[in-house]
Amino acid sequence: DADVTQTPRNRITKTGKRIMLECSQTKGHDRMYWYRQDPGLGLRLIYYSFDVKDINKGEISDGYSVSRQAQAKFSLSLESAIPNQTALYFCATSDNRGYDDTQYFGPGTRLTVL
Amino acid sequence: AQKVTQAQTEISVVEKEDVTLDCVYETRDTTYYLFWYKQPPSGELVFLIRRNSFDEQNEISGRYSWNFQKSTSSFNFTITASQVVDSAVYFCALNYQGGKLIFGQGTELSVKP
Repeated sequence: DADVTQTPRNRITKTGKRIMLECSQTKGHDRMYWYRQDPGLGLRLIYYSFDVKDINKGEISDGYSVSRQAQAKFSLSLESAIPNQTALYFCATSDNRGYDDTQYFGPGTRLTVL
Repeated sequence: AQKVTQAQTEISVVEKEDVTLDCVYETRDTTYYLFWYKQPPSGELVFLIRRNSFDEQNEISGRYSWNFQKSTSSFNFTITASQVVDSAVYFCALNYQGGKLIFGQGTELSVKP
């Protein structure tokens, strides 16, 4: 089984709808992250959480919210989806070891907002 | 501010050619880590290597090698004798503020038979 899973893998929705993307991990890592990938822009950090009680905004948090339900679960919500949120979304996890902090990624969720 | 630049957007080579992917970074941190990830056509992100700022030794893993030079703020990635399976988007990334990653724009490598 994969260490980091994301559901759904693909989603098509309409403008204005609320969407939740879910991430689960079995790696036992404390730290979890949400990124979005757009062509030509690489990956950009949306939100991150260093433990269950910790939530931090990343580079591009506007229009998104997150919930860390447990050490193993980190959900990303789009409160009112808009077309420019069409992107590939990745969840990642890492161990709590400061700078030596390799992130391991889930398979991605491809979201299309019409 | 932290920044990672991969100036090569796309590279196309013929199988068995050697190819180097460039990565230049900016940071004010004295301690940091650099990473390379591979994104094959299937879309997942695969971790390839982590290098800390105190270790400038080159690293070789099979056909892959990495050249880290602090003097030029570069962390370049060379694939020797490229194969079609090497076709992917490759990302360079910098770890900052104790855990966050900033990514370059990615280089799309196409290896043709």
